[in-house]
Amino acid sequence: EVQLLDSGGGLVQPGGSLRLSCAASGFTFTSYAISWVRQVPGRGLEWASSVSGNGRSTYYADSVKGRFTISRDNSRNMVYLQMDNLRAEDTAIYYCAKVRQWQRDFDFWGQGSLVTVSS
Amino acid sequence: QSLLTQPPSVSAAPGQKVTISCSGSSSNIGSNYVSWYQQFPGTAPKLLIYDNDKRPSGIPDRFSGSKSGTSGTLGITGLQTGDEADYYCGTWDSRLSGWVFGGGTKLTVL
Repeated sequence: EVQLLDSGGGLVQPGGSLRLSCAASGFTFTSYAISWVRQVPGRGLEWASSVSGNGRSTYYADSVKGRFTISRDNSRNMVYLQMDNLRAEDTAIYYCAKVRQWQRDFDFWGQGSLVTVSS
Repeated sequence: QSLLTQPPSVSAAPGQKVTISCSGSSSNIGSNYVSWYQQFPGTAPKLLIYDNDKRPSGIPDRFSGSKSGTSGTLGITGLQTGDEADYYCGTWDSRLSGWVFGGGTKLTVL
């Protein structure tokens, strides 16, 4: 059974940092890209970042580029999202999601981790 | 403002059929596959349709998808009260080199 468990959310002040984690199981981890998709409560979905299966390629939405860093540890089946210089508009639920096929869709999602940026 | 346009809400009676549209452009829907996600309040999205018209294992055939030009459509037949949820379309945008989603459509089964 495929499982994604995201964690690490919390309250942080503007300009602060936070690291989200995503623990994956139930599939051949290195064969799939993993993404972070965020959602402001009550609003729509926004893709934030993706990392390739081998970790060598990373991709970012313009809204987070230069502030967020995605990485993965294939020895531990973990994906991370380091979020620096956080802004109020980064407040959202962050979901890690398994990419079924590159440039196609997300077939499994974590339960979400709430990040609140506020003073 | 989402790059993919969906109606904010749709409604229909139990047992009826409803369609949800998703309008994009040549750089996204026009040149890539459309997927659809179902989301209940307080839960993560769930893949409903992929590659325009394919259903993952376990998704009932009451759910269908199609694509024409720069638009995609989700169809739901035999509506049930348990179908009340938010529905999102998504696709890759070749110009942005990233995924884009519609703003979501809230389905109400009257």
